[in-house]
Amino acid sequence: SQQGEEDPQALSIQEGENATMNCSYKTSINNLQWYRQNSGRGLVHLILIRSNEREKHSGRLRVTLDTSKKSSSLLITASRAADTASYFCAPGVTDKLIFGTGTRLQVFP
Amino acid sequence: GAGVSQSPRYKVAKRGQDVALRCDPISGHVSLFWYQQALGQGPEFLTYFQNEAQLDKSGLPSDRFFAERPEGSVSTLKIQRTQQEDSAVYLCASSRTDRTAYEQYFGPGTRLTVT
Repeated sequence: SQQGEEDPQALSIQEGENATMNCSYKTSINNLQWYRQNSGRGLVHLILIRSNEREKHSGRLRVTLDTSKKSSSLLITASRAADTASYFCAPGVTDKLIFGTGTRLQVFP
Repeated sequence: GAGVSQSPRYKVAKRGQDVALRCDPISGHVSLFWYQQALGQGPEFLTYFQNEAQLDKSGLPSDRFFAERPEGSVSTLKIQRTQQEDSAVYLCASSRTDRTAYEQYFGPGTRLTVT
C-alpha cells in the first residue's frame, strides 16, 4: 500500500507556535504530497516533494522527505488560527492519491 | 472555470434510489478523479479518467457504482440502489496533465446521505 500514516492524529497549539506533523509510508515512491482540509475551503494542495528532493519550502511551510526511512514531515511555522484544519499526506507513484486519516490541527488564538 | 465544481452539494436519497453526482473540472484539465470520504477519514480513491478514458476503477466499491466522462470534460458518478453505507462525501478532483505526480485540485464535494 502507498498509504501514508500521519502522526500525531491530533495536535493542539497556541497561535505563534510551530506545528510538526509526520508521515510514514510503506513502498517506494516518486513523490509525496501534502493537503489541507477545512470546512471553509475543502481539500487544498499544499506542497509536492519529489523523491530526489530532501527539503522544500513554501511560505510558512517546510516539508522534508527521507526516502531511506520512508518518512516525511510538515512543519508549519508561526501558526495562525486559520491553520486549523486536517492535514493529509499522500505518497504515490502515480496520479492516484492514497490518503491517510490525517492529523487534525487546532490552533488556539 | 475558476475551480472544480460539483453538484448537487447535498443529496438525500432513500435506500434503493439511484443518484447521479456531477463534476465540472477545471477547463483543460486532462485528468479527473473521484474520491469517497467517510466522516473522520481521509478521502479514498474511487476512479480515474484521462480525458474520456477510464484508466483506473479499482476503488469503486461495488458494481452499483459507475462513472463516466464521455467528452473528456464533465464527469458523472452514478450510484445505483443506494445503501446506507454509501453515505459519505464524494469528492472530485482534476489535474492539468496526464503526467504523473501533479497536484490535484479538488471540488467542494457532494454530501450524500442515504436514509
